[in-house]
Amino acid sequence: DTGVSQDPRHKITKRGQNVTFRCDPISEHNRLYWYRQTLGQGPEFLTYFQNEAQLEKSRLLSDRFSAERPKGSFSTLEIQRTEQGDSAMYLCASSIGPGLIDNEQFFGPGTRLTVL
Amino acid sequence: GQQVMQIPQYQHVQEGEDFTTYCNSSTTLSNIQWYKQRPGGHPVFLIQLVKSGEVKKQKRLTFQFGEAKKNSSLHITATQTTDVGTYFCAAREIKTSYDKVIFGPGTSLSVIP
Repeated sequence: DTGVSQDPRHKITKRGQNVTFRCDPISEHNRLYWYRQTLGQGPEFLTYFQNEAQLEKSRLLSDRFSAERPKGSFSTLEIQRTEQGDSAMYLCASSIGPGLIDNEQFFGPGTRLTVL
Repeated sequence: GQQVMQIPQYQHVQEGEDFTTYCNSSTTLSNIQWYKQRPGGHPVFLIQLVKSGEVKKQKRLTFQFGEAKKNSSLHITATQTTDVGTYFCAAREIKTSYDKVIFGPGTSLSVIP
């Protein structure tokens, strides 16, 4: 399978715990995006990387959230001290960039986080 | 900041009827993309529009980009049950200091057989 993969697919955690998600993009894609989606809403932009550089980070992203892409391949998203409001689907997408004309984003299946 | 709006939020149509969803931005866009998300699935890219006034067609789907590059529409002719899902526009705004992709809230389409 050469698509975007995410792990785990589901995560249930207790409030206050830390969680980490992984995303493996399509191998030749140098741009990687993280989104959060809640029921009935569109994907909410969190951050994106071009290769290993984090180029943009949403102001909605609190300091409890951190993302890395150390070697420009896979990425991790960590949420510290989880809160019930963090419960959502966390989507990863990859694309080829940069440039004015951005290619399509390919989405992974997502990690569904439930904070009890 | 930039806002992307979509109307309607929900649309229920009889199979065979047409369907249109509209996307509006508060700022001029570099390009706009459309995605479809089936229930329980993830967004899947449909098309990208770049030029002012651009019109693209994919079988029964017609996509338009406004002359001012602030709005777009997706029209489906003669809907089928396979068209069920949520349709999102994704607006990309590029400035010297940032490059953002903002998804609209989506239009959820139900098709009654």
